[in-house]
Amino acid sequence: QVQLVQSVASVKKPGASVKVSCQASGYTFTGYYMHWVRQAPGQGLEWMGWINPNSGGTSYAQKFQGRVTLTRDTSINTAFMELSSLRSDDTALYYCTRDVSWNYDYWGQGTLVAVSS
Amino acid sequence: QSALTQPRSVSGSPGQSVTISCTGTSSDVGGYNFVSWYQHHPGKAPKLIINDVTKRPSGVPDRFSGSKSGHTASLTISGLQAEDEAEYYCCSYAGRYVVFGGGTKLTVL
Repeated sequence: QVQLVQSVASVKKPGASVKVSCQASGYTFTGYYMHWVRQAPGQGLEWMGWINPNSGGTSYAQKFQGRVTLTRDTSINTAFMELSSLRSDDTALYYCTRDVSWNYDYWGQGTLVAVSS
Repeated sequence: QSALTQPRSVSGSPGQSVTISCTGTSSDVGGYNFVSWYQHHPGKAPKLIINDVTKRPSGVPDRFSGSKSGHTASLTISGLQAEDEAEYYCCSYAGRYVVFGGGTKLTVL
């Protein structure tokens, strides 16, 4: 069965970077785009970007341009999201989700990133 | 890349129907038939309940239905049940980008 398993929660200081992983299983990793979506406390879902695991091509939301980098390692079926210059308002639950023709059918369990001095 | 517009909250009694709207622009909802809806219960991952405007994934009850007219998509839930109480989000492809709605809290009275 399809599973997306994300890395555990982390606490970071303002200005630092965080790298969240998302390991896929149960399907051909390179056959589906992977998207990243976050939810800050009390806020809605916010799209961050996507990566094509086959080519490595990416697209990022304007809000995160220059601060977010999506990568992948096809040898371990894992996608990564790195967010730099962290601020307190980056405190959120970060999800990876599989894209099926611009619909998101499987989601990771979420990774909490807390930014605090 | 502005968020799609959804009502903050809707409510209904068990057995009734509710409709949640999702308004965008010609660059997203109005321009493509890649509108999806997600049910989100606290502490759980979002669940896809409508894809491609009107399609229900396997396992989703037919009480859930989707539609679109112009720049506005809609989710209708008929025969409300207590377990339908959740946050609902619409989402649209927007040409290399993706945009979500702000979310609608459904309360089953």
